[in-house]
Parts: sequence; C-alpha cells; structure tokens
Amino acid sequence: GAVVSQHPSRVICKSGTSVKIECRSLDFQATTMFWYRQFPKQSLMLMATSNEGSKATYEQGVEKDKFLINHASLTLSTLTVTSAHPEDSSFYICSRGQGAPIAKNIQYFGAGTRLSVL
Amino acid sequence: AQSVSQHNHHVILSEAASLELGCNYSYGGTVNLFWYVQYPGQHLQLLLKYFSGDPLVKGIKGFEAEFIKSKFSFNLRKPSVQWSDTAEYFCAVKRTTSGTYKYIFGTGTRLKVLA
Repeated sequence: GAVVSQHPSRVICKSGTSVKIECRSLDFQATTMFWYRQFPKQSLMLMATSNEGSKATYEQGVEKDKFLINHASLTLSTLTVTSAHPEDSSFYICSRGQGAPIAKNIQYFGAGTRLSVL
Repeated sequence: AQSVSQHNHHVILSEAASLELGCNYSYGGTVNLFWYVQYPGQHLQLLLKYFSGDPLVKGIKGFEAEFIKSKFSFNLRKPSVQWSDTAEYFCAVKRTTSGTYKYIFGTGTRLKVLA
C-alpha cells in the first residue's frame, strides 16, 4: 500500500489565492522529504528538500517566498503555493526516503497533486 | 551541464517484443541509479536500483538494468513485454554530497505495448 499520502489530489483555484498541499509519511518518520514539479510530458524537477525542524533547501531558480515549505513534524511536510498564477499550474509530487545509511536510501512517492490556476 | 538523459521519448512495441530503454547520466563520482515506473493514473513506483556490486540488476516484473560505468549508462531491459507494461519509465540518479542527497530524473519514456 501507499507509504506516502499526498492531499489534495487535485485543486483548482483562482489567480492570487494560496494553495496548501500536504505530504504525509504514513509508516515512517521522515526527517527529509522532497518536493517535485512535473510539467506535461516532462520529467520531475526537484524544487526543494524539506528538512524537519529547519528551513527547506531550495533548488536554483525556485522562489522561496512563492513556494513555502513547512516540515513541522516527522510525518508531515506542506507546500504552499502563495499568490498562485496560471503559470504555477502543474503537477506537484512529494517523496520521502527510507533506509540508512544514505547510500542505501530509496524514495517513495506520493500520488501527486494537480494544481490548476484559473 | 549535469543531467540524466533518456533518449527514447516514446516507444511502441507489440507484446512479446524485447525492450531496451536507454539512460545516460553525466555526473562524476559515486552515483546511485534507479528506474521508476508510473502506470496510468498511479504514482511513481520503484522498478529497480543499483547501489554497488553486480552491475546487472534485476528488478520486479522481469525487468533488469545494466550499469556500465565507462559509458555512464544504466539501460533498462525486458526480454518480453506485456500489455500491462504500458507506462512511463523514468531513470533517476541519486547524488550524495556532504551527507545530503537529491534525485535527478530523466525526461521519461512513454511505453505503449500493443496487445
């Protein structure tokens, strides 16, 4: 069964509003989770690494103030798309790793959230 | 630029045909390599992985991949595909730096198997 739960699966919002996407690790405490964005017919692009109890690490070109990440507990990371615009419409996917040491770590993915900004 | 390349974007095969999907990466140093599959309407699932040791890796559902370090390649193979293998396949590289890691994905290959 799914080990990473992502909610909502689909959201439609008006331009200028903020949208929060939740990513839960169901069976494992995750100190690190990842957020990806997938454009149509393209690959997953890593947006940021979410670190429990500390600030997220953003990839180059990703606006921190636009995509707010909070990882307040070991089982929940949230991504908030602030003041959403139509160009933010995309498929957002979260993941968490399992396994130690890092060299043996593999990723488990959520089902994704399709965001449509009108 | 450092990247992961999947050369075949769309592949159409008949059932029982053999499959090989190419994956090349351009990172130096130690990397871990993965193939993920995304069936229609489902989330990404791990197909197989390479960490170290035998460069020929066997995964689920009869898939295998071979790591060729000299060619920076990790091609996915299956001797005989089935209709149920219709999905999108992603190659991924995990890079570890100073105790942290991240995954870089290829652009994906959409496989359609005709019954």
